[in-house]
Amino acid sequence: DGGITQSPKYLFRKEGQNVTLSCEQNLNHDAMYWYRQDPGQGLRLIYYSQIVNDFQKGDIAEGYSGSREKKESFPLTVTSAQKNPTAFYLCASTPLTAPRDYGYTFGSGTRLTVV
Amino acid sequence: AQSVAQPEDQVNVAEGNPLTVKCTYSVSGNPYLFWYVQYPNRGLQFLLKYITGDNLVKGSYGFEAEFNKSQTSFHLKKPSALVSDSALYFCAVRALNSGNTPLVFGKGTRLSVIA
Repeated sequence: DGGITQSPKYLFRKEGQNVTLSCEQNLNHDAMYWYRQDPGQGLRLIYYSQIVNDFQKGDIAEGYSGSREKKESFPLTVTSAQKNPTAFYLCASTPLTAPRDYGYTFGSGTRLTVV
Repeated sequence: AQSVAQPEDQVNVAEGNPLTVKCTYSVSGNPYLFWYVQYPNRGLQFLLKYITGDNLVKGSYGFEAEFNKSQTSFHLKKPSALVSDSALYFCAVRALNSGNTPLVFGKGTRLSVIA
């Protein structure tokens, strides 16, 4: 079955550590997105990529980094510079050729907790 | 700039009664509008979309939404609520002629259907 796989499902990070969240899709979608979800704040865009080697900042990019070296993969690194990283992280994708006809396909999310 | 408002954090409705989850939007030009549903610790699932055409859009699980251009609204409705409809609902928008800019999501409305 085609879809988006996020791993791990749960992740614990110590203060001062960098961690990388994985997002892989086999839908042949061009564009991929990372959102952060906090209670009562909805989804906020961290980074997005419309094609391979494209990487664009969203509304809350500070403290995050990433890359898009392969079409199917869009990892996100939460760096030690991110002041409050505890949140639920969602990855999404959509085909670029017809984004108007498709909603996004979302992964199941990664819950990151700082301990 | 694009924005979405979901004025209610929580909606409670009795099973079998009709439900409405409200959404208003702001974009330059014509909008693409979406509704998604999220169950606990899961990603978002697509419910329905409005692009052009009939103002009443039918989607998954018996949900529908009415596009009202003059009121810039896109309220989600269902004639008869089920307990299993209890979840978090998100409205999202992007402008028709904004290229491939990412969707902007509302803060979400938690629907609780009481048996």
